[in-house]
Amino acid sequence: DTEVTQTPKHLVMGMTNKKSLKCEQHMGHRAMYWYKQKAKKPPELMFVYSYEKLSINESVPSRFSPECPNSSLLNLHLHALQPEDSALYLCASSPGTGGNIQYFGAGTRLSVL
Amino acid sequence: GESVGLHLPTLSVQEGDNSIINCAYSNSASDYFIWYKQESGKGPQFIIDIRSNMDKRQGQRVTVLLNKTVKHLSLQIAATQPGDSAVYFCALMADSSYKLIFGSGTRLLVRP
Repeated sequence: DTEVTQTPKHLVMGMTNKKSLKCEQHMGHRAMYWYKQKAKKPPELMFVYSYEKLSINESVPSRFSPECPNSSLLNLHLHALQPEDSALYLCASSPGTGGNIQYFGAGTRLSVL
Repeated sequence: GESVGLHLPTLSVQEGDNSIINCAYSNSASDYFIWYKQESGKGPQFIIDIRSNMDKRQGQRVTVLLNKTVKHLSLQIAATQPGDSAVYFCALMADSSYKLIFGSGTRLLVRP
């Protein structure tokens, strides 16, 4: 099973709202990732968690706040987003060490009004 | 730094023909390469990977070739089918890194 599950599939929010994206994997992977993908563009890395600790933050604005409650779950908390933050947000996971396949979820399609 | 480029943004092939998708990279420190397929409305799906100590790797109907001398990677799909229609991304990382750098993508269209 190489499944990464993301919820919700679609999300519409206003610029003053607070919402959260959720990601779950049960492959025993110890690294989890958030990517942002704009239309017709490749995914861009936002955050990396390794063994439940934040190891990479690609200079992401503070209105995006990641959280890794345990080794199977990854959240992305959203607050005061801008319309340009509208995108597909992808979660991925991989075994603990680098140089391994990253398995992606189907993503959350976010629209900020 | 690392950068990844693709030679063609869109590739149109006849069903049953072979497809070749190319990818160039600039950083010789990159030592792990992955091809992903992304269908509309879905996340990237792993197809095949190759490490820098190999030149070729084969999977089911797919072959990845790596030429480290010219920093070039290709994905060959044999007997292309309508279900192969998607955007294909090459991605690379340094073996000890978690950071995956994606190419800009090639859209593969399969004509019936």
